[in-house]
Amino acid sequence: DTGVSQNPRHKITKRGQNVTFRCDPISEHNRLYWYRQTLGQGPEFLTYFQNEAQLEKSRLLSDRFSAERPKGSFSTLEIQRTEQGDSAMYLCASSLGDRGRTDTQYFGPGTRLTVL
Amino acid sequence: AQRVTQPEKLLSVFKGAPVELKCNYSYSGSPELFWYVQYSRQRLQLLLRHISRESIKGFTADLNKGETSFHLKKPFAQEEDSAMYYCALSGGSYIPTFGRGTSLIVHP
Repeated sequence: DTGVSQNPRHKITKRGQNVTFRCDPISEHNRLYWYRQTLGQGPEFLTYFQNEAQLEKSRLLSDRFSAERPKGSFSTLEIQRTEQGDSAMYLCASSLGDRGRTDTQYFGPGTRLTVL
Repeated sequence: AQRVTQPEKLLSVFKGAPVELKCNYSYSGSPELFWYVQYSRQRLQLLLRHISRESIKGFTADLNKGETSFHLKKPFAQEEDSAMYYCALSGGSYIPTFGRGTSLIVHP
C-alpha cells in the first residue's frame, strides 16, 4: 500500500499518560498535515510541515501537543499528560506541496485515541 | 477568519432523485473550495475542487461568490453515493477549514 499510513490505529490510555502517534506520508510528498476530528465534526487543522520545517503550529490545541518531522519523511504527534477531552480521531494527510495553491491532500486512516 | 457551514447533518434521498448538499462559506479573500468524501470504512478523499471545474462521479459544484456558496449537486443519486461529505475552504495560507459534514443516505 503506497498511501499514507498511521500507527497505531487505536490507542487506549489512562488520563495523565503521554501518547505518540506516527504518520508515514506518500514518499514523494513534501507537505504533511495533522488534524483532529471529534464526533460529529469535520477535521480540525492542528499543524503542518513543509519538508522538515513546521510552518504552522499556532493551532495546536495546547502546549501539551507537539509534532516533529525530523528528516522530512515520517512525522510524530505527541500528546503529553492526556486528558479525557483529547479523545478523538487524529488524522494525518500529505500532499506534493509543489504548487502555489492548495494542493490535493491524501489522508491516512487515522489513529483513534481513547483517554480513560 | 474563514468558516464553512454545512447546514444539514443528514440528507436522505431515494435512488434516482436529485441531490444537493449545501455549503456556505465566510472568507474575505479569494477562496479555494473543495468537497471531500468519506465512504464507509474508507479514508477521507478529495472529490472535487472548484478550480478544476470538473464533474466527478456525476457530481458538480459551482462557486457562487455572490451567495458565498459551493453546493454539491448530482442529478440522479445512486446507492453507492451514500457517504459523509465535507466541504472545505482554503485561504491564502493553504490550510483548509472543514465543515462538520453531511451524511448522505441513498435508499434503494
